[in-house]
Amino acid sequence: AQSVTQLDSHVSVSEGTPVLLRCNYSSSYSPSLFWYVQHPNKGLQLLLKYTSAATLVKGINGFEAEFKKSETSFHLTKPSAHMSDAAEYFCVVSDTQGGSEKLVFGKGTKLTVNP
Amino acid sequence: DAGVTQSPTHLIKTRGQHVTLRCSPISGHKSVSWYQQVLGQGPQFIFQYYEKEERGRGNFPDRFSARQFPNYSSELNVNALLLGDSALYLCASSFGFNEQYFGPGTRLTVT
Repeated sequence: AQSVTQLDSHVSVSEGTPVLLRCNYSSSYSPSLFWYVQHPNKGLQLLLKYTSAATLVKGINGFEAEFKKSETSFHLTKPSAHMSDAAEYFCVVSDTQGGSEKLVFGKGTKLTVNP
Repeated sequence: DAGVTQSPTHLIKTRGQHVTLRCSPISGHKSVSWYQQVLGQGPQFIFQYYEKEERGRGNFPDRFSARQFPNYSSELNVNALLLGDSALYLCASSFGFNEQYFGPGTRLTVT
């Protein structure tokens, strides 16, 4: 079965400093991986996706993620945090076994941005 | 373009009651998926429908059911509500097997 593990439940950074949110995946085949963001009392917004093209994926709002097969990792980064980045971030793997496409979510990483 | 819409936004039910949640996908999207997000957790897959047929079901009891209509909108039904059913219910739409776009969710509280 496909799964993801988010290595940090909480990450705190200062505004203007880099962001690193860590995710490891487990997959029996070449995975499709995503990062979603959820602001308080809001739905989920897709930040970026990896589908076996370029290993460095650029997303919205300056975020990017690098797929590393040797490390089974898909970490999310941003060079400079903004106050508006404070939210919950989910690493997600797509499971297409059984004829459906279900998204399997990690437990989430809460990002706090300090002024 | 309108995104995924869900109704109602919030509702409060009593244990043992039944609830119906509704979802309208993005225009042109033929697949709708439902997820349950309990406070402090990531969303869990409940159902996926494509072209009005159930394509997948998560590990949820038979009290949970869903259907998709000819206009691709969908309903999620939950019978005999339990306190543990309190959660944010999210609907997502996609064009076939592709990235899924989520609605704002329905917050269900069971008392």
